[in-house]
Amino acid sequence: QVHLVESGGGVVQPGRSLRLSCAASGFTFSSYGMHWVRQAPGKGLEWVAVIWFDGSNKYYVDSVKGRFTISRDNSKNTVYLQMNSLRAEDTAVYYCAREIEASAGMDVWGQGTTVTVS
Amino acid sequence: SYELTQAPSVSVSPGQTARITCSGDALPKKYAYWYQQKSGQAPVLVIYEDNKRPSGIPERFSGSSSGTMATLTISGAQVEDEADYYCYSTGSTGNHRVFGGGTKLTVL
Repeated sequence: QVHLVESGGGVVQPGRSLRLSCAASGFTFSSYGMHWVRQAPGKGLEWVAVIWFDGSNKYYVDSVKGRFTISRDNSKNTVYLQMNSLRAEDTAVYYCAREIEASAGMDVWGQGTTVTVS
Repeated sequence: SYELTQAPSVSVSPGQTARITCSGDALPKKYAYWYQQKSGQAPVLVIYEDNKRPSGIPERFSGSSSGTMATLTISGAQVEDEADYYCYSTGSTGNHRVFGGGTKLTVL
């Protein structure tokens, strides 16, 4: 069964760093692009970043560019989100999601991990 | 930056047809995707590439796109369809992605 499990969330002070992980199982991880999407309390979904299946390309929403880095380790079936210089406005539930093969949307989502910057 | 625009809320009675729209300048050239999110849960894909339905999604969910507007239609909406619905697409370059602001569907 296809499964994504996020971890690494927590409470962190402004300006500090945090690394989120997303462990994948049940599919050939190295064949799929992966995304991070976040949702601030009471707000809508916000796309954060995408990494291609082989890590060759990465794209970010403007608000995190230069502060967040998406990466992956296909040998560990894991995608990461390194978050530096955290701000209060980064407080959110962070979801990882699998990209639909040969498409731009996401078809499988994890349950999310909560990041609180305070 | 690229934006997708959705109405904040839609309300229908059970059995009626609910239509949720999403507008964006790049939609004539880029696919729209639709996600359902119930309270406290992760989003679920209900329509991809404008009008395709993933396996396990009821047939009452359908999608269409014309010009700069994409539409999610729920034919015979049921109480369990109450949720927030988000459209999603890419900008003209295809590299950056964006969600609409979300539409809260009430069925009562």
